Amino acid sequence: DTEVTQTPKHLVMGMTNKKSLKCEQHMGHRAMYWYKQKAKKPPELMFVYSYEKLSINESVPSRFSPECPNSSLLNLHLHALQPEDSALYLCASSQLDLGVSYEQYFGPGTRLTVT
Amino acid sequence: QKEVEQDPGPLSVPEGAIVSLNCTYSNSAFQYFMWYRQYSRKGPELLMYTYSSGNKEDGRFTAQVDKSSKYISLFIRDSQPSDSATYLCAMKGNTGKLIFGQGTTLQVKP
Repeated sequence: DTEVTQTPKHLVMGMTNKKSLKCEQHMGHRAMYWYKQKAKKPPELMFVYSYEKLSINESVPSRFSPECPNSSLLNLHLHALQPEDSALYLCASSQLDLGVSYEQYFGPGTRLTVT
Repeated sequence: QKEVEQDPGPLSVPEGAIVSLNCTYSNSAFQYFMWYRQYSRKGPELLMYTYSSGNKEDGRFTAQVDKSSKYISLFIRDSQPSDSATYLCAMKGNTGKLIFGQGTTLQVKP
């Protein structure tokens, strides 16, 4: 099973709201990722967790706050977002062996609209 | 110059045609090469994964990597309307960061 699940599928939030995106995988992968994708563009990396520790932050604004409660779960907490943050947010996971990550499997994404 | 170059298309072919999708790259440290298919408003689906140079076949799909030319290809045989999607090449070295091409939009007409 190579499934990564994400909830919710769609989210509409105001600029003063606080919401969270959730991601789950049961493939035993120890690397998990958050990406942001705008229309007709490739995914842009936001964060990487390796062995439940944040290993890469691509200079993402602090209004995005990632959390990895355990090896199967990844959250992205959202607060005070801007309309330009509207996008498809993708979670991915990959096997990690001796620090080397392998092919990434993506979830279906959460389509976020900020009003 | 981008690290990974991919023609965005669109590419339109008749059903049954052989489709060739390509990417070039500049970073010789890349060792892992992937092709993803993405339908509109869905997440990318991993189609092919290859390590270093060579060919890999899976059903109607063949991936080729030529590290000496820094060129990778995906061939789709007997293309179907259901193959209509955006195809993203992606590659990486030993770090966790995946570098994507811009994606090629493919339309297969019945």
